[in-house]
This record gives sequence, C-alpha cells and structure tokens, in this order.
Amino acid sequence: EDQVTQSPEALRLQEGESSSLNCSYTVSGLRGLFWYRQDPGKGPEFLFTLYSAGEEKEKERLKATLTKKESFLHITAPKPEDSATYLCGKGGTYKYIFGTGTRLKVLA
Amino acid sequence: NAGVTQTPKFQVLKTGQSMTLQCAQDMNHNSMYWYRQDPGMGLRLIYYSASEGTTDKGEVPNGYNVSRLNKREFSLRLESAAPSQTSVYFCASRTPNTEAFFGQGTRLTVV
Repeated sequence: EDQVTQSPEALRLQEGESSSLNCSYTVSGLRGLFWYRQDPGKGPEFLFTLYSAGEEKEKERLKATLTKKESFLHITAPKPEDSATYLCGKGGTYKYIFGTGTRLKVLA
Repeated sequence: NAGVTQTPKFQVLKTGQSMTLQCAQDMNHNSMYWYRQDPGMGLRLIYYSASEGTTDKGEVPNGYNVSRLNKREFSLRLESAAPSQTSVYFCASRTPNTEAFFGQGTRLTVV
C-alpha cells in the first residue's frame, strides 16, 4: 500500500536550536519526494523536490535530503517565522499523496 | 496568473444537502487533485484526474463524486452531506512528476 509517514507529529524548538523532520515512504512508483510548508488558514506552499537517493536541496535555513527509504528536512538555527506545518508528499506519475505533517513551533 | 482558484471559500451545509466545490487552474496542467484536511490527518487524497476525461479514486473517495469538466476545471460533489465531511478541502494541479500547486481551500461545515 502506498504510504507516507512523517515524524514527529509536533516539535517545539527554541530559536537557534537546530533539528530534523523525518519522512518515510513506500519506495515503489516514486516519481519525486516533495516538501511543502503550510501556514494556518492557507494552502501548502512548495519548498523542494528530490528525485534520487543522495540528492540534497537547500533554501535559507532549510535543507532537504533523500535516501532510498526516507527524506529529512533539516532546520538550522530556526527563527519564529519558520513556525508552520511541514508536509511531505510522494509523487507517482499521476498519484500524489501526503503524510500527516509535522507542526513546528519555534519559540523566541 | 491566478494559479488554482477554489470556490466557495466557506460553506455551511445541513446534513443531507448537496453541493459542488469548484476548482479551476490557469497553468495548463494535465493533472488535478482533490484533498481533504482534518486536524492531525494531513492531506488525504479524495479523487484525482490524470488528464482531461479521466478520474480515479484516491484514499478516501466514499461520499464524493468528481467531474473533470475540461482541462482547466475539476469539481467535487457531495450528494448528501454528512457531519463527517466537515473539513477543509484543497484542490491542486500539476504536470506529471513535478510539484503541485494548491488553491487556498474551502472550509466546509456540515451541521
């Protein structure tokens, strides 16, 4: 069964305290692993796409990595404005499913 | 570009009423999607349309129907609304194997 699992469900960090979010997925039919940020009351906004194991993408304080079974979103020295829900999605050629998300709260 | 536009933004229905959620995209994408989002449940795929003229069930299709009216428009219909369908509904579109773009959501309450 096609599945995406994210952990932890929620994470509270102090400003400047680095951490990582995890996304594990069923390998078959993978046509991209996608990370999104979602702010309350809004639709998800695209962050990164990873297509093959070993690939890495960076944007400001965020870095996404991909292995054969997992992806990690590393947050370095987070700021309060990084507080949001982070969603991981698995793309098939057509089908596109998501995990339950990680709610991140960064405290000043 | 407007991107993905959903209407309405908010709706309150009584149990048993029907309604259609509208979605339109102006990015010439082939594939379109409907999701529901409940607290702690992430985005769950209801139906998707790989291309104009085709639709497929997702993870939670029961109680819903869809129509891919043309390449731009993909509607979601609730024939007889139930309180369990209270949720936030998101429409998305993409080109195969690339990222999806989302609308701003429809907040539906069934009382």
